[in-house]
Amino acid sequence: IAGITQAPTSQILAAGRRMTLRCTQDMRHNAMYWYRQDLGLGLRLIHYSNTAGTTGKGEVPDGYSVSRANTDDFPLTLASAVPSQTSVYFCASSEYGQEVYEQYFGPGTRLTVT
Amino acid sequence: QKEVEQDPGPLSVPEGAIVSLNCTYSNSAFQYFMWYRQYSRKGPELLMYTYSSGNKEDGRFTAQVDKSSKYISLFIRDSQPSDSATYLCAMSAWRTGRRALTFGSGTRLQVQP
Repeated sequence: IAGITQAPTSQILAAGRRMTLRCTQDMRHNAMYWYRQDLGLGLRLIHYSNTAGTTGKGEVPDGYSVSRANTDDFPLTLASAVPSQTSVYFCASSEYGQEVYEQYFGPGTRLTVT
Repeated sequence: QKEVEQDPGPLSVPEGAIVSLNCTYSNSAFQYFMWYRQYSRKGPELLMYTYSSGNKEDGRFTAQVDKSSKYISLFIRDSQPSDSATYLCAMSAWRTGRRALTFGSGTRLQVQP
């Protein structure tokens, strides 16, 4: 059982380029999330999806977009990368419901924008 | 002001020591309180959770929640080098149709053999 896979593991990207971070889960969870983790700031939610076909904005959505065409995949796109988007990006998933408390995280993508 | 405050450390202790990790929060709507452990270059993993106030014990780990003081703690007894990691507190509240997690910034723990 893989859980959540993310690709690429790391990437160096020139400013202004477009980039899609991939995330796939095999747990059939309804809800999926994208976070960025920066030193001293912890994990901040970028976008989320409660179910396939729906998405919502998190705490820091500017410069990012997501789609949720099916249950398993939740790609994150940076349309035109800027250096402030240098971070470690984590995809997560969970069951959706009133009592949800546990989110399962992928291994992360380390992105450097130069 | 952040909703959840956590001392970033690093915290360095000798093997066998009792470790105390803490978070404070400002939002009284938080209901579930969690501790995640994150090893270097890995994703966070849920370690323990508690609902509302009280204590919960799991092996060498004890989680405490004091809602009156808006303060949560994680105690690690007989700490081991394998406990060296970053510990993130997280809190959950129902917001705009979904249960949202708010994370602390994490405390880095180093247990010296």
